[in-house]
Amino acid sequence: SQTIHQWPATLVQPVGSPLSLECTVEGTSNPNLYWYRQAAGRGLQLLFYSVGIGQISSEVPQNLSASRPQDRQFILSSKKLLLSDSGFYLCAWSVYHSISPLHFGNGTRLTVT
Amino acid sequence: GQQLNQSPQSMFIQEGEDVSMNCTSSSIFNTWLWYKQDPGEGPVLLIALYKAGELTSNGRLTAQFGITRKDSFLNISASIPSDVGIYFCAGPFINYGGSQGNLIFGKGTKLSVKP
Repeated sequence: SQTIHQWPATLVQPVGSPLSLECTVEGTSNPNLYWYRQAAGRGLQLLFYSVGIGQISSEVPQNLSASRPQDRQFILSSKKLLLSDSGFYLCAWSVYHSISPLHFGNGTRLTVT
Repeated sequence: GQQLNQSPQSMFIQEGEDVSMNCTSSSIFNTWLWYKQDPGEGPVLLIALYKAGELTSNGRLTAQFGITRKDSFLNISASIPSDVGIYFCAGPFINYGGSQGNLIFGKGTKLSVKP
């Protein structure tokens, strides 16, 4: 069966520091991968999605970037964090882009101080 | 653009009561998905609906794909304390060319259950 792993579970970082969140999927090949941000326990906002290695689509302009160095690995990064980057970050995967349901990881709670 | 409106925003119910929530849109959807999110965790898929009029159950949960394709309903029967969480509806955005894009989510219905 397929599983998705996200880490770390929680992170506290100072303003201006770099960020790297990692997500990996097991048990499937060529998954579609997604990064979402959730503020205040509501509202899932799509940040990035990837339909293949090295292919990244950005949904909203922001201080973050994403990379997909391997088929089942998706990384969310920032060179310099802002206070407004605080939130709950969720990685997800799907079999077919925009057709099949998303399956989410357990999220990373990021607090920028 | 397409939006999903969920109601109610929150519900406070007694254990054992039935729950009903819905999701509406001004545009049609070809797929409706219902997720539940427990505090501090990622959303988990509860039910997926792919056909107008479809009625699907998952244990005490029942969801329906509205016949107009612009709405969906989720019902929970005989609620228990572990039903607490936020329930999201979602569906793939349909662009002007008619092809499906990324999933969009409603803002969620927060359910609280009193024992």
